[in-house]
Amino acid sequence: KQEVTQIPAALSVPEGENLVLNCSFTDSAIYNLQWFRQDPGKGLTSLLLIQSSQREQTSGRLNASLDKSSGRSTLYIAASQPGDSATYLCAVYSGGGADGLTFGKGTHLIIQP
Amino acid sequence: DGGITQSPKYLFRKEGQNVTLSCEQNLNHDAMYWYRQDPGQGLRLIYYSQIVNDFQKGDIAEGYSVSREKKESFPLTVTSAQKNPTAFYLCASTREINTEAFFGQGTRLTVV
Repeated sequence: KQEVTQIPAALSVPEGENLVLNCSFTDSAIYNLQWFRQDPGKGLTSLLLIQSSQREQTSGRLNASLDKSSGRSTLYIAASQPGDSATYLCAVYSGGGADGLTFGKGTHLIIQP
Repeated sequence: DGGITQSPKYLFRKEGQNVTLSCEQNLNHDAMYWYRQDPGQGLRLIYYSQIVNDFQKGDIAEGYSVSREKKESFPLTVTSAQKNPTAFYLCASTREINTEAFFGQGTRLTVV
């Protein structure tokens, strides 16, 4: 059964720093990987989707990479801002019997002004 | 604006009651999903539907039921058989099974 782990569980950094969030998954046979942002009490906002054939995707200050063979993805946030404070979730789609996403527990990020 | 609308935002249920959570999308997506989120745990899949009039159980379907009579709508009923229903419920949709997922704003259900 696919399992997704996110490290660290929480992270607090000063404004302006570049940072990396990590995601690992146990079964490399995935179709895609998606990064989401969740603000307290809110739904999920899609940040980036990487298909299994892709190595990375970029959107503004965000860059996500995928190394399918090693079961790893990273989300790079450049020049962090207080507005980036949120929980970041990684999820993979593996297909198979239950056709939904498998989620990690998230990284709670605080950017200090 | 295209998106997913969940209602209500907050819902309170008495012991033994069934309650229904609404999820409507105007993205013209074929697939829709229900997830449950508990503190300290990742989102877990309850039910999903790839097409109208068809749906499949996810990892934690016991005590829940769904219907998919219209492409735009995928309501979730939390039955009295669900012993621990207090949670944050999220509805999502994708154009097809293997495409980008979009989520609603969630419904927080509390048993009183």
